[in-house]
Amino acid sequence: QVQLVESGGGVVQPGRSLRLSCAASGFIFSKYAMHWVRQAPGKGLEWVAVISYDGINKYYADSVKGRFTISRDNSKNTMSLQMDSLRPDDTAVYSCARSIAVAEPEDYWGQGTLVTVSS
Amino acid sequence: SYELTQPLSVSVALGQTARITCGGDKIGSKNVHWYQQKPGQAPVVVISRNNKRPSGIPERFSGSNSGNTATLSISRAQAGDEADYYCQVWDSSTGYVFGTGTKVTVL
Repeated sequence: QVQLVESGGGVVQPGRSLRLSCAASGFIFSKYAMHWVRQAPGKGLEWVAVISYDGINKYYADSVKGRFTISRDNSKNTMSLQMDSLRPDDTAVYSCARSIAVAEPEDYWGQGTLVTVSS
Repeated sequence: SYELTQPLSVSVALGQTARITCGGDKIGSKNVHWYQQKPGQAPVVVISRNNKRPSGIPERFSGSNSGNTATLSISRAQAGDEADYYCQVWDSSTGYVFGTGTKVTVL
């Protein structure tokens, strides 16, 4: 069955960096676009970034543009999110999700990893 | 940036129809997806591309989209429909955008 497992979350100081990973299994990873979506405690969903199936096309939310970088390794069925210059308002549970194409809805989601940005 | 506005909460009597709106500039020209999220769970798509129900989603869920408002309707509301609902659109200049979210309560 489809599985998406995030890792790499933790507590980090403002201005520092963190790298999240998403390990995929149970489907042909290289055929799907992959997303990062975050949800701050008690708040709504916020889309963060998406990468196309081949890694060529990448899109970012304005709130993270220039600070976050999405990437993927189709040979390892993994996707990553490099987060630099972290701010307290980046605190959230970060989940990876897949979609059949960049502009299609996400049909499977991981359970997420918590990132806390605090001094 | 593109913004989507939803009511904070919607209440519906058991067995009646709940309607959740999603407002955005010329949203009728875009494809709208709707997600249901229950506490502690990942979101689930209940409507894609304005009015398409994914496999396994009851016919009670339907969607429409025109002008500046998209609407998710839940007919014959059940206790199990209580959840947060989010609309989502793809904008070529800003990527994906989620609505502000609506909490549905079944009375």
